[in-house]
Amino acid sequence: EADIYQTPRYLVIGTGKKITLECSQTMGHDKMYWYQQDPGMELHLIHYSYGVNSTEKGDLSSESTVSRIRTEHFPLTLESARPSHTSQYLCASSETGKNTGELFFGEGSRLTVL
Amino acid sequence: SQKIEQNSEALNIQEGKTATLTCNYTNYSPAYLQWYRQDPGRGPVFLLLIRENEKEKRKERLKVTFDTTLKQSLFHITASQPADSATYLCALDGITGGGNKLTFGTGTQLKVEL
Repeated sequence: EADIYQTPRYLVIGTGKKITLECSQTMGHDKMYWYQQDPGMELHLIHYSYGVNSTEKGDLSSESTVSRIRTEHFPLTLESARPSHTSQYLCASSETGKNTGELFFGEGSRLTVL
Repeated sequence: SQKIEQNSEALNIQEGKTATLTCNYTNYSPAYLQWYRQDPGRGPVFLLLIRENEKEKRKERLKVTFDTTLKQSLFHITASQPADSATYLCALDGITGGGNKLTFGTGTQLKVEL
């Protein structure tokens, strides 16, 4: 079982609110990722990090931001949520030093913006 | 542009039969390909990885083939069980650069009936 945790699992908020989705892993992985997935659709990479103080945007443009101050923690923040941000957000990590390793995913955070 | 295609229609099969799922890709030559299982509302779980120089990989009731000429991977589940019902995703590396930045297909939903 993967040791990667996301909170909250479900969040319903109003437009304009600031939200932070938390992601933590206890496997010591340097690489962490955020994917966005709409129902029935593919996962899209929105952010990734190769280590502390390293963050890059993925192939899908996102208004969210991320930070990586500690190896185990990779939170995602939306400064002003909009209905278009309604989606499932999946955090993942992969093993240090392996360029062909599997991704370990959290259970996801389902965000609904009213 | 690079594209990953999986059957969008659900695959319904009887218990005990072999399920075969297809992943096709275009305009790209990945170094490896991965298969994941995703249950509703959950994060994907890694199943198998196959490299470009490997024709076939097996793990218990699972078998993956990789034909780089046809640009196709087949995913087989033998002696299928109702518990195998889920969405199966294929993922390729390197479409957006290296380092485990996987690009996912939309997935194929498998339903195994008694």
